[in-house]
Amino acid sequence: DAGITQSPRHKVTETGTPVTLRCHQTENHRYMYWYRQDPGHGLRLIHYSYGVKDTDKGEVSDGYSVSRSKTEDFLLTLESATSSQTSVYFCAISAGTGGYGYTFGSGTRLTVV
Amino acid sequence: AQKITQTQPGMFVQEKEAVTLDCTYDTSDPSYGLFWYKQPSSGEMIFLIYQGSYDQQNATEGRYSLNFQKARKSANLVISASQLGDSAMYFCAMREHNAGNNRKLIWGLGTSLAVNP
Repeated sequence: DAGITQSPRHKVTETGTPVTLRCHQTENHRYMYWYRQDPGHGLRLIHYSYGVKDTDKGEVSDGYSVSRSKTEDFLLTLESATSSQTSVYFCAISAGTGGYGYTFGSGTRLTVV
Repeated sequence: AQKITQTQPGMFVQEKEAVTLDCTYDTSDPSYGLFWYKQPSSGEMIFLIYQGSYDQQNATEGRYSLNFQKARKSANLVISASQLGDSAMYFCAMREHNAGNNRKLIWGLGTSLAVNP
């Protein structure tokens, strides 16, 4: 299986604080994605990356930024967390087989209080 | 307009019976791929099956098969001989191959399947 890990798995933070979620892959894949999952909304793309220092916005990017300084790491930062950003966050990589589908990390459950 | 539509928010099936989960899609790209993922209550996303738009035969992976009807733009997931462990959320997704070099997947909202003993 592809090696992709997310950290932390769970986090509770206060409104207004910055939060960084990390996605780490050991597969040397070029494409990486950050999604959030909320009931009734399915999976919504926040940001994605198509190489080191190459990133672009998804459909729900407001309030989020990303960085990718190395192939293996893709960081998602909530610049000033709000309660509406309480969600489950998934990182995914696009594998080179199976029609370029995704392999997902285990997810990060973030609660903003 | 939604590009992936899963019209069944929730489904029930008896153990050992077959079940079909519906997925319709909308694209003008002649080259695309269709995916199904499973999300059990533990939360992880598990890849199940893939169908390419030019594939001549329906994809199969063990008890999973994809009923691909290109003219109807449907890609229904068929699970044969349901097991209790099949209880989960199921997501249909599509990738348009000519939509830019980003490999993004477009997702449906999912169908919750409950398998009854």
